[in-house]
Amino acid sequence: ETGVTQTPRHLVMGMTNKKSLKCEQHLGHNAMYWYKQSAKKPLELMFVYSLEERVENNSVPSRFSPECPNSSHLFLHLHTLQPEDSALYLCASSQGRWGGNTGELFFGEGSRLTVL
Amino acid sequence: AQKITQTQPGMFVQEKEAVTLDCTYDTSDPSYGLFWYKQPSSGEMIFLIYQGSYDQQNATEGRYSLNFQKARKSANLVISASQLGDSAMYFCAMREAIIQGAQKLVFGQGTRLTINP
Repeated sequence: ETGVTQTPRHLVMGMTNKKSLKCEQHLGHNAMYWYKQSAKKPLELMFVYSLEERVENNSVPSRFSPECPNSSHLFLHLHTLQPEDSALYLCASSQGRWGGNTGELFFGEGSRLTVL
Repeated sequence: AQKITQTQPGMFVQEKEAVTLDCTYDTSDPSYGLFWYKQPSSGEMIFLIYQGSYDQQNATEGRYSLNFQKARKSANLVISASQLGDSAMYFCAMREAIIQGAQKLVFGQGTRLTINP
């Protein structure tokens, strides 16, 4: 079992649908992230949560809505998406980097989203 | 401006050979961190190695080592004695900022490494 679990692994939705991606981390970390990975583009940071507070919103369209109800869970709510939103959405978590630790991000396997 | 540059879209290497994956970065901040991740076909990004900007020695983790040349702003990943299981995408990343303990990483385009038997 990986430390960061994402569901569903695959999702196909129409442009008018509403769906959610779920991420759960079992590592006791206090920061969580959403990244978007599109073909032939670098990973794009979407949202960052630290201690359940959103600390970064990287100019993401409002059709993506994150939610972090506690330090172990992170959601990405999707509505009225566009075909160009089709991508692999990766969730990650990390221990807060206040000390000497490297604070590397631990990633889930991603949710492959296809918007028709 | 691109902050992380990986100039090799793809590389093909014979099994058991060493391979170097290139990464250059751009920052004016004296304090930064550099990461390498491996992404197999399953999609999960696996952390490999880390180098801090103030670290005096090059980082090593098993078969992975980081050739850190600060003046050149390069942080190349060296994999020794490559194995078939090393075939994957490899990403270089730089810590751009720390926001309330959370790390903002910026990633390069990646290099697809294929190990031939």
